[in-house]
Amino acid sequence: GAVVSQHPSRVICKSGTSVKIECRSLDFQATTMFWYRQFPKQSLMLMATSNEGSKATYEQGVEKDKFLINHASLTLSTLTVTSAHPEDSSFYICSAKGGRVYNEQFFGPGTRLTVL
Amino acid sequence: DAKTTQPNSMESNEEEPVHLPCNHSTISGTDYIHWYRQLPSQGPEYVIHGLTSNVNNRMASLAIAEDRKSSTLILHRATLRDAAVYYCILYRSGGSNYKLTFGKGTLLTVNP
Repeated sequence: GAVVSQHPSRVICKSGTSVKIECRSLDFQATTMFWYRQFPKQSLMLMATSNEGSKATYEQGVEKDKFLINHASLTLSTLTVTSAHPEDSSFYICSAKGGRVYNEQFFGPGTRLTVL
Repeated sequence: DAKTTQPNSMESNEEEPVHLPCNHSTISGTDYIHWYRQLPSQGPEYVIHGLTSNVNNRMASLAIAEDRKSSTLILHRATLRDAAVYYCILYRSGGSNYKLTFGKGTLLTVNP
């Protein structure tokens, strides 16, 4: 099956710094990638949708200047959390759509961000 | 987007079948019924999807009511590795840029 990887799996940073999370589709070309955030004991919340080569579409309430998304190639999307604060601590998950299986999204393993 | 309703939690014993219900009374004709599951501290995993007919794959079966207002995910023999949160999601083909909207899902506990 299609595989999506994320890097890093865990990151701890100081308040005010920026953190970049990578999402890669390993064996297929992802025309669309999605970024989700999940707080403890809660469901996934979609943050933004990105199509290769175009600007990301952010969900209502998500600050696009704080959560920078780049989808420069069909296999890589990055999420940069700028000027991170403790309330940004969360589980960030990407997913990718594309390849041979229609209607299916493939999720990465997630990145645990802790901001001190 | 049409909403789904699932029980917050269910419990099962290992090696027994599990039936996870989902209500979607406002489903439209172009909505597919998707099921994903999320194991602890992992990203969600696709389980199965269907439109009108019942579906089977290596992981599970999906039984869809004739009026499509409800569906049931069936795990034929639960194992400890099936303990997860199961999400029933309506997915409108060609709409909303293929966004998946996750509800709270059903937390399945499997007892040894």
